[in-house]
Amino acid sequence: GENVEQHPSTLSVQEGDSAVIKCTYSDSASNYFPWYKQELGKRPQLIIDIRSNVGEKKDQRIAVTLNKTAKHFSLHITETQPEDSAVYFCAAGNTDKLIFGTGTRLQVFP
Amino acid sequence: DGGITQSPKYLFRKEGQNVTLSCEQNLNHDAMYWYRQDPGQGLRLIYYSQIVNDFQKGDIAEGYSVSREKKESFPLTVTSAQKNPTAFYLCASSIDRGNEAFFGQGTRLTVV
Repeated sequence: GENVEQHPSTLSVQEGDSAVIKCTYSDSASNYFPWYKQELGKRPQLIIDIRSNVGEKKDQRIAVTLNKTAKHFSLHITETQPEDSAVYFCAAGNTDKLIFGTGTRLQVFP
Repeated sequence: DGGITQSPKYLFRKEGQNVTLSCEQNLNHDAMYWYRQDPGQGLRLIYYSQIVNDFQKGDIAEGYSVSREKKESFPLTVTSAQKNPTAFYLCASSIDRGNEAFFGQGTRLTVV
């Protein structure tokens, strides 16, 4: 079946550094790629998304890139801050459902 | 807060019992989903529904059942056939397929 692989599972960075999380997906029909942030004890919330007709999207310190040929997409966070610490999930969706990656625990140290 | 409500927040179940988790949304969304979250395993899809009176199995549907009698409601029953039901359960909805999913606050189920 369809699956989404996400790496790394944990990521520690110094405040101000950049963080990159990568995902690959198997279903070539996927056309929607959201990223969710889940703080401890809270629900996942959408932080950015991209569709298959776009290669890159940026929103302030967050950017997402998509390579449909290679079935890769990545989340880039620049100038990280302690409040960026959370678990981040990528997902790949098509006309039926959203399949999530296994998550990346990001820790930003002051 | 968010328009999608799960209840209860915490649920304890004895082995051999069925329990039903509630999920209600007032966002007028067609699509609804149930995910299970375990440490280190991300969000795994249990069931999803794109329209009233229709639902599909996800990757880990065994031991679970759902219904979609109303657009607003998508309850999940964890049956006694589910061998390891202790987990955090998240319900989500989206306006239609292939769009942003909004999550409820989750129900933490513990088998005692």
